[in-house]
Amino acid sequence: TQLLEQSPQFLSIQEGENLTVYCNSSSVFSSLQWYRQEPGEGPVLLVTVVTGGEVKKLKRLTFQFGDARKDSSLHITAAQPGDTGLYLCAGAFPGGGADGLTFGKGTHLIIQP
Amino acid sequence: GAVVSQHPSRVICKSGTSVKIECRSLDFQATTMFWYRQFPKKSLMLMATSNEGSKATYEQGVEKDKFLINHASLTLSTLTVTSAHPEDSSFYICSVLYSYGYEQYFGPGTRLTVT
Repeated sequence: TQLLEQSPQFLSIQEGENLTVYCNSSSVFSSLQWYRQEPGEGPVLLVTVVTGGEVKKLKRLTFQFGDARKDSSLHITAAQPGDTGLYLCAGAFPGGGADGLTFGKGTHLIIQP
Repeated sequence: GAVVSQHPSRVICKSGTSVKIECRSLDFQATTMFWYRQFPKKSLMLMATSNEGSKATYEQGVEKDKFLINHASLTLSTLTVTSAHPEDSSFYICSVLYSYGYEQYFGPGTRLTVT
């Protein structure tokens, strides 16, 4: 069974602060996705990383994929109340893309005005 | 990406009855779809992989006779919860494997409540 450790599980910070969410595994990912989920809705894909060392930016969000492809991080700069939500990392492991994703436990993020 | 819909969005049923949930890929022909369930404040757990034209592959611990999956076309997969019990109450989410990449695109989910 492939495991994904995601931390922190809960984070409440003030508007304007920065934060980082981490996703780690002992196994190598073939790809890793970050999703954001609002209550009562399905997850929405934010980014996919595939190459070791890859960095992708989405406005104030920066995603990094570790060189060994076993870990990833999501960094939010100057957080805003609209960033509040559940952030999920999900990994696909070698074996083909037709495998379901393994999800981390998620990070419940609250940005207080 | 792919646009995915689910129907119904919410359903309440009595214990012992069966409920069918539909997952449609609206703009992409999906060979592979997935079904997940999610309990409150928890992450998503993969239930099964739905392959068009063949039997679904179930994850360990998921009863295939209780959660019937049919993927009869490239745009539709259905999940039928048979003889539902209150412990089956959950948020069921489907996704489509976007074959041009590694991504999965998710439907909006179905809230099932069994009374």
